[in-house]
Amino acid sequence: SFALTQTPSVSVTPGQTARIPCGGDNIGTRTVHWYQQRPGQAPVLVVFDDSDRPSGIPERFSGSNSGNTATLTISRVEAGDEADYYCQVWDNSSDHWVFGGGTKLTVL
Amino acid sequence: DVQLVESGGGLVQPGGSLRLSCEASGFAFSDYEMNWVRQAPGKGLEWVSYISTTVSAKYYADSVKGRFTISRDNAKNSIYMQMDSLRVEDTAVYYCVRSHDSAVGAFDFWGPGTMVTVSS
Repeated sequence: SFALTQTPSVSVTPGQTARIPCGGDNIGTRTVHWYQQRPGQAPVLVVFDDSDRPSGIPERFSGSNSGNTATLTISRVEAGDEADYYCQVWDNSSDHWVFGGGTKLTVL
Repeated sequence: DVQLVESGGGLVQPGGSLRLSCEASGFAFSDYEMNWVRQAPGKGLEWVSYISTTVSAKYYADSVKGRFTISRDNAKNSIYMQMDSLRVEDTAVYYCVRSHDSAVGAFDFWGPGTMVTVSS
């Protein structure tokens, strides 16, 4: 089945840009969604369809997807962005939904 | 406001059974596909099961296929997960999750979760 690979941790200082990659075989041909999970809370959808934002999600959150890597970009990082971030796709060949292992974003 | 509230979690012995429920409100429940997603302590997210609006399609992760059964009652705005032959590795927070109505494969609302602990 399709697999997604995420780097376990990313660190950034406030005000900088965080880039969180998600790798997969030819992932650029698939549609990627991203979730933010703050400690002790349920996940929240922050980007869908590679680069769209749900209502209420700041414009600082953006996404891209090409080749073998999808990327969630968080501009002007704030302390409140510290969380785990998960990428996800739907594998239509197996009718399974697949999550990456997650990336912990630390705001220094 | 959209609300999803899970219930039914608890402590169960290996080999035992448990039935989770999720009651939805704040949206036209019968129009939405629904899912269960779980998260083991300190681990990542794992999709568990999906059910279509009319119950015509149900899908399961390989790790639970044959042991878990998803169902829904549109008259009660609820979905359920019957979990049988539980294993220690089924220990997790179980989230009730709504599928996005247009973004294929995306999950747009999550419940707060219910904890299932499988231990002797």
